[in-house]
Amino acid sequence: EPEVTQTPSHQVTQMGQEVILRCVPISNHLYFYWYRQILGQKVEFLVSFYNNEISEKSEIFDDQFSVERPDGSNFTLKIRSTKLEDSAMYFCASSPRGDARGYGYTFGSGTRLTVV
Amino acid sequence: GDSVTQMEGPVTLSEEAFLTINCTYTATGYPSLFWYVQYPGEGLQLLLKATKADDKGSNKGFEATYRKETTSFHLEKGSVQVSDSAVYFCALSSSGSARQLTFGSGTQLTVLP
Repeated sequence: EPEVTQTPSHQVTQMGQEVILRCVPISNHLYFYWYRQILGQKVEFLVSFYNNEISEKSEIFDDQFSVERPDGSNFTLKIRSTKLEDSAMYFCASSPRGDARGYGYTFGSGTRLTVV
Repeated sequence: GDSVTQMEGPVTLSEEAFLTINCTYTATGYPSLFWYVQYPGEGLQLLLKATKADDKGSNKGFEATYRKETTSFHLEKGSVQVSDSAVYFCALSSSGSARQLTFGSGTQLTVLP
C-alpha cells in the first residue's frame, strides 16, 4: 500500500537554529499538508499546498514557517529560527484531491522535533 | 469555528470488552466525520468515515454513526482485542474549509489480555 514517508523520525535542535522536515508524499497525490501535535494536545492544521503554492494556512503558520516542493517527490517544512514551543510531532499528509469530505488523507508516521 | 470534543482518556479495557469512545462536534454546514487511529510508532491511519447524516462508517469491527441531531460520532466496537491498543482521534472536515481536518485531542486505549 502506498505510504507517505517522513524523515527524520526524531530531530533535536538548538533554539534559534533552522530545521527542515522532509516528506515524500504518495506519487499521484496532488495536495500536501503539514499538521502538528504538541505533546498531550490536539493535532493542529498548519498548511496545505497545491500546484506549487500554499492554498490555506492556519494562524500558527507564521513567517517562521515555509513549505516547498523542491522537486517532483519531496515536500518540506522549514522552521527558520526554532523556539522551545515548536517542539511537537509534525505530520505530513497527502491526498489525491483537496476535498477531505470524501477522501481522507494519508498521513506519514511523523517527525518528533525537540527544541532545546 | 469548528471544534471536536472527545472523551478524555486513557481508557483501559479487558480483551473482549465493549468499547465506546464519545465524540461530539461543532461545525458550519454539513461536515464529514472521521475516526483516525495511531498505533505506537506509526502515523495517523484513517479508520472509518461518514459524509452525511445517518451514515454509518465501519471498518475492522469498529463502527460510528453520524448523528446530526446530537452532533455526535461515537466510536464503538463490540469486542476489543489487545491489538486495538492505540490512540483514537475523531476529526471533521467542514464545508467551510474542505481542505482542513479539525481533530479532537485523542483518546488512548489500552486493551489488557
